[in-house]
Amino acid sequence: QVQLQESGPGLVRPSETLSLTCTVSGGSMRGYYWSWIRQPPGKGLEWIGYIYYGGTINYNPSLKRRVTISGDTSKNQFSLMVDSVTAADTAVYYCARGTASYNYAPGHYFDYWGQGALVTVSS
Amino acid sequence: QSALTQPASVSGSPGQSITISCTGTSSDIGGYNYVSWYQQHPGKAPKLMIYEVSNRPSGVSNRFSGSKSGNTASLTISGLQAEDEADYYCISYSSNTPSVFGTGTQVTVL
Repeated sequence: QVQLQESGPGLVRPSETLSLTCTVSGGSMRGYYWSWIRQPPGKGLEWIGYIYYGGTINYNPSLKRRVTISGDTSKNQFSLMVDSVTAADTAVYYCARGTASYNYAPGHYFDYWGQGALVTVSS
Repeated sequence: QSALTQPASVSGSPGQSITISCTGTSSDIGGYNYVSWYQQHPGKAPKLMIYEVSNRPSGVSNRFSGSKSGNTASLTISGLQAEDEADYYCISYSSNTPSVFGTGTQVTVL
């Protein structure tokens, strides 16, 4: 059974960098879209971006300037950094596995999710 | 990229059927069969309920079904049960971005 677990600081100061890591267990990272999704308190979900095995990375255009996603398949981990955070970046951050039905399919769906990590931006 | 439009809330009595709509454009829902639906209970991570418009993952009740017509996708819950009370989100592939999310719908079982 695939499991994902987010880890990182729960409190970040304004203007600093938010950093989270997702550890994947129970399966290989090969062939999937490893994604970050966030949800501000009381609001809807927002896709942040993904890293695909082999190094392809794609970001939400609205966040692209401040976001970096990286991966370490040897550790079965992938990470998120968000620069210059403000209170608007306060959210529960989820990591999720994106699965496509066939190689190079343009779309994918999120079949496994982490439990989520609340990150609060405050001084 | 604008979010997909969902009704803010839908309600129904136990045993009834309800349908949640998700409206996009020809660049997302209308152009591709990559719509998925997620159920989220308070304080929990979203759970995949439907993928690629109408496919149900193993373990998901057959009371949940999905469809699409033009630029609108729909999730139908038949035989509504108390445990179905949750928030529901649609997601679609888009020619502009790999994942565009719906605004979310709160389902209430009366």
